[in-house]
Amino acid sequence: GENVEQHPSTLSVQEGDSAVIKCTYSDSASNYFPWYKQELGKRPQLIIDIRSNVGEKKDQRIAVTLNKTAKHFSLHITETQPEDSAVYFCAAGDYKLSFGAGTTVTVRA
Amino acid sequence: GAVVSQHPSWVICKSGTSVKIECRSLDFQATTMFWYRQFPKQSLMLMATSNEGSKATYEQGVEKDKFLINHASLTLSTLTVTSAHPEDSSFYICSVPNDLSSYNEQFFGPGTRLTVL
Repeated sequence: GENVEQHPSTLSVQEGDSAVIKCTYSDSASNYFPWYKQELGKRPQLIIDIRSNVGEKKDQRIAVTLNKTAKHFSLHITETQPEDSAVYFCAAGDYKLSFGAGTTVTVRA
Repeated sequence: GAVVSQHPSWVICKSGTSVKIECRSLDFQATTMFWYRQFPKQSLMLMATSNEGSKATYEQGVEKDKFLINHASLTLSTLTVTSAHPEDSSFYICSVPNDLSSYNEQFFGPGTRLTVL
């Protein structure tokens, strides 16, 4: 099955700085790579996703890059704000998804 | 996207009892639903794939006789935790995949917090 590794497990950044989270996956058949933001006690919220036929996607302050050859993908958040503080999960798969372990992001005001 | 609800949002039960959790797709016909479990400060782990009108498919290590899944209609899947024990205390989340496109997006329910005393 798919195995997704996510780093770092915690990330503290100064407000206004950038945050980068990296994930690797094992199954070359995976073709869908979403990123979720989860606040305590809430459902995961899709913030951006990318399909295997695209190398990069950007939505305002959030961007995701995908390297299928190396089997890794990354989330970039620019101009971080305190409301970006949350747990972020990457996932990979096709119809079923495997999730990374999560990154707790803290944005210091 | 699809609107997915879960009931109850939280439940506390005694050890040895059974608890049923409902997942409803309010505006989207769902032939498939996914059930996840999330322990505190951990990731989402897929437990099983619920299939409308047929048996659920369980992930490796998940006891099918303990976690009973019924998907009797295109809008409702239920997960019953039988003979619950404190180690079953967790956040249970269902999701509905977007079958109408090739985008594989999943729409998540709000989750059910189960505490077994």
